[in-house]
Amino acid sequence: DTGVSQDPRHKITKRGQNVTFRCDPISEHNRLYWYRQTLGQGPEFLTYFQNEAQLEKSRLLSDRFSAERPKGSFSTLEIQRTEQGDSAMYLCASLRTPANTEAFFGQGTRLTVV
Amino acid sequence: DQQVKQNSPSLSVQEGRISILNCDYTNSMFDYFLWYKKYPAEGPTFLISISSIKDKNEDGRFTVFLNKSAKHLSLHIVPSQPGDSAVYFCAASGQGGSEKLVFGKGTKLTVNP
Repeated sequence: DTGVSQDPRHKITKRGQNVTFRCDPISEHNRLYWYRQTLGQGPEFLTYFQNEAQLEKSRLLSDRFSAERPKGSFSTLEIQRTEQGDSAMYLCASLRTPANTEAFFGQGTRLTVV
Repeated sequence: DQQVKQNSPSLSVQEGRISILNCDYTNSMFDYFLWYKKYPAEGPTFLISISSIKDKNEDGRFTVFLNKSAKHLSLHIVPSQPGDSAVYFCAASGQGGSEKLVFGKGTKLTVNP
């Protein structure tokens, strides 16, 4: 068990470019969440998957954002046509339901849009 | 509309003393509450949780108290250690913890040697 892994740890991109982040959850964790954290705020929910099914999306997730979890294992979060307001820490978390109720977080991907 | 509120952005205590971090919530549907600890440039680390059927949960130096009628919970750290210095987030969830987490803005705890 190596914990939740996120890649890359840091990403600097120019406004208008597309970026993709990857999350590898703890093995056998069937639920995977994406959150976003900006300075001075707590993490805010973006979306979550139960296995490969995307069950809920926040209204924070504009049309420029898309997330996938194709085989119910790793997940990707893509942001198209990035804007400066997208600069944030993107956090992935996983847990195994119904056995567990505490989500484990990865170290996050820090996105800076310049 | 903030459903989970941590009204103290920061707290400073002396090593060995008690640290008390507070959290209020507004949504009566929340029935599971968690505290996470976060160091800079790292993801949140789970600390302790409590179900709404309990009013206290203890794990070593950490105790969480829940007052459902007041929609208030608190985290007590006794004794506080310099390594406890971090940002602490209160989070709430519904359906016994299986729903998404709603976080407060965090309280930065500094424990002075």
